[in-house]
Amino acid sequence: DTAVSQTPKYLVTQMGNDKSIKCEQNLGHDTMYWYKQDSKKFLKIMFSYNNKELIINETVPNRFSPKSPDKAHLNLHINSLELGDSAVYFCASSQVGGNSYNSPLHFGNGTRLTVT
Amino acid sequence: SQQGEEDPQALSIQEGENATMNCSYKTSINNLQWYRQNSGRGLVHLILIRSNEREKHSGRLRVTLDTSKKSSSLLITASRAADTASYFCATRNYGQNFVFGPGTRLSVLP
Repeated sequence: DTAVSQTPKYLVTQMGNDKSIKCEQNLGHDTMYWYKQDSKKFLKIMFSYNNKELIINETVPNRFSPKSPDKAHLNLHINSLELGDSAVYFCASSQVGGNSYNSPLHFGNGTRLTVT
Repeated sequence: SQQGEEDPQALSIQEGENATMNCSYKTSINNLQWYRQNSGRGLVHLILIRSNEREKHSGRLRVTLDTSKKSSSLLITASRAADTASYFCATRNYGQNFVFGPGTRLSVLP
């Protein structure tokens, strides 16, 4: 019974294509995130949604567009893929509202994106 | 800018030995958390220490926090081969963002 699930696990595609990664959490959390992990294992926040509202939008090319149809889902759509987009993308969720500063992040198992 | 910085970047020890990883950060925090990442998997939360705490234990894990030095350490005692993973610290202020360090790759040799 996976708490944060993301699909697909692997994604191999050519430059210029458009692709999507889906994420769902069944923990009832109010906030979801997308992180990018590069080849050196460095994790960088991309987006954060709180109750379907965009809260954090780091310096990410506008080719990346998150979509949150409801607070249990946060999908990531990437247009015109480039070689530098190759990385592992992690979805995560946490309870942020109220006095929940001590709620940790729960991660999915990642989507390894390879752009050729 | 990146908040947490772990050292060492990589650590190799024998089974049964203790492993110590350090994390430094730059700004004020509400709490600091440690996560483990096994190869090909997502990060898993290990332990959280609040800014008003100095030490915390969980099983074989011991975390310390020194807010005056803006640093934390994670000690894993009596290490096992299954502890082989990357370990990350993450800081959280009063917003929604968790900021991760670059991680320490721990190898525990049988």
